[in-house]
Amino acid sequence: ETGVTQTPRHLVMGMTNKKSLKCEQHLGHNAMYWYKQSAKKPLELMFVYSLEERVENNSVPSRFSPECPNSSHLFLHLHTLQPEDSALYLCASSQDRGWNYGYTFGSGTRLTVV
Amino acid sequence: LAKTTQPISMDSYEGQEVNITCSHNNIATNDYITWYQQFPSQGPRFIIQGYKTKVTNEVASLFIPADRKSSTLSLPRVSLSDTAVYYCLVGDMQYGNKLVFGAGTILRVKS
Repeated sequence: ETGVTQTPRHLVMGMTNKKSLKCEQHLGHNAMYWYKQSAKKPLELMFVYSLEERVENNSVPSRFSPECPNSSHLFLHLHTLQPEDSALYLCASSQDRGWNYGYTFGSGTRLTVV
Repeated sequence: LAKTTQPISMDSYEGQEVNITCSHNNIATNDYITWYQQFPSQGPRFIIQGYKTKVTNEVASLFIPADRKSSTLSLPRVSLSDTAVYYCLVGDMQYGNKLVFGAGTILRVKS
């Protein structure tokens, strides 16, 4: 475990389902991130939260809805996804939005949309 | 953010030293260089970070020449478990630049 825990590890959902991904960190970090990694593509930054406030949304479709209720938890709510949304979704945290000491990533949720 | 260029893939054998070079010609004065390692179906893991000259930790060394336009990650005596994708990233530490990953270098270690 890296200090960032993601659940579930694997998720299969239909295109009409609603599901949520959960990320939890107890590292005392103030910034949290969602990344998407599709097969054979670089990681794509989706959302950035700093002190529970969303500070960046990288043109992500509205079928992905993030939520950060406190500095330790981050959710990604999924609704009406498409098969091309199948990917590894990674959560990361850092002390702040700077690069000090690097980012800590979770192990990811492998999402399959059928 | 400074653009980085790395080899797409490298092959090595167990026990060898592996050097992966990253080019970052447009690196800015405040930029730091960071390397991450990623195994299949896992998140990237921080390896090492540096600004200039040489940095060494228990896992790797990072060599940065005086002009800082490139850097080299050195992995001593690799093992099969070092087979992974290695990412070089460059950015400003203080002003919250997000991590932007490139394609990385696929390192395959053979027995």
